[in-house]
Amino acid sequence: QITLKESGPTLVKPTQTLTLTCTFSGFSLSTNGVGVAWIRQPPGKALEWLALIYWDDDKRYSPSLKSRLTISKDTSKNQVVLTMTNVDPVDTATYYCAHRLSFGELHFDSWGQGTLVTVSS
Amino acid sequence: DIQMTQSPSSLSASVGDRVTITCRASQDISRWLAWYQQKPEKAPKALIYDASNLQSGVPARFSGSGSGTDFTLTISSLQAEDFATYYCQQYNRYPLTFGGGTKVEIK
Repeated sequence: QITLKESGPTLVKPTQTLTLTCTFSGFSLSTNGVGVAWIRQPPGKALEWLALIYWDDDKRYSPSLKSRLTISKDTSKNQVVLTMTNVDPVDTATYYCAHRLSFGELHFDSWGQGTLVTVSS
Repeated sequence: DIQMTQSPSSLSASVGDRVTITCRASQDISRWLAWYQQKPEKAPKALIYDASNLQSGVPARFSGSGSGTDFTLTISSLQAEDFATYYCQQYNRYPLTFGGGTKVEIK
């Protein structure tokens, strides 16, 4: 059974750097084809894909946020970390991590519960 | 970027109704489309992938169809637990993009 759980600060000040951690179980990021993505959802709004990292360290980013995002993995800890620099109140959202494969079933088949991050001074 | 447009943005229906939600892609995405259900304060849950494949554990009243640019999600007989917001998502190419959502409410 795949499970994912996001963790990080609930409140961040504008211009600061946000660091979120996704801790997962039920799969390994050293397994061929496995990936973990970050997706966010501002209150009352739609989902937005942010970044994705694969087992081979291939990384993909949303072009609109690429300059501010960094995704990394710690395979030994079963964790994926997302950092977002220079946050703004518009970055207030629930942040989700999700499991994905790079071949076969390519959708986000398992999601974490999400973590709400508020950006405010 | 591939834009995903859902319609309607919201609808009201009764238990037992047949419900259809449409998703249109701004360019051909073949069958690389998924549908998700999201209930208030909960994470999205995968329903359909590759346009028409039912995710394991999802009731058979949910079905998907389409290819190219036009897709539909159908709930054959709406149940009380189906009142939620539904999102489509394309994975034909990066950046991965979602539709704006369709909220299904109780009539």
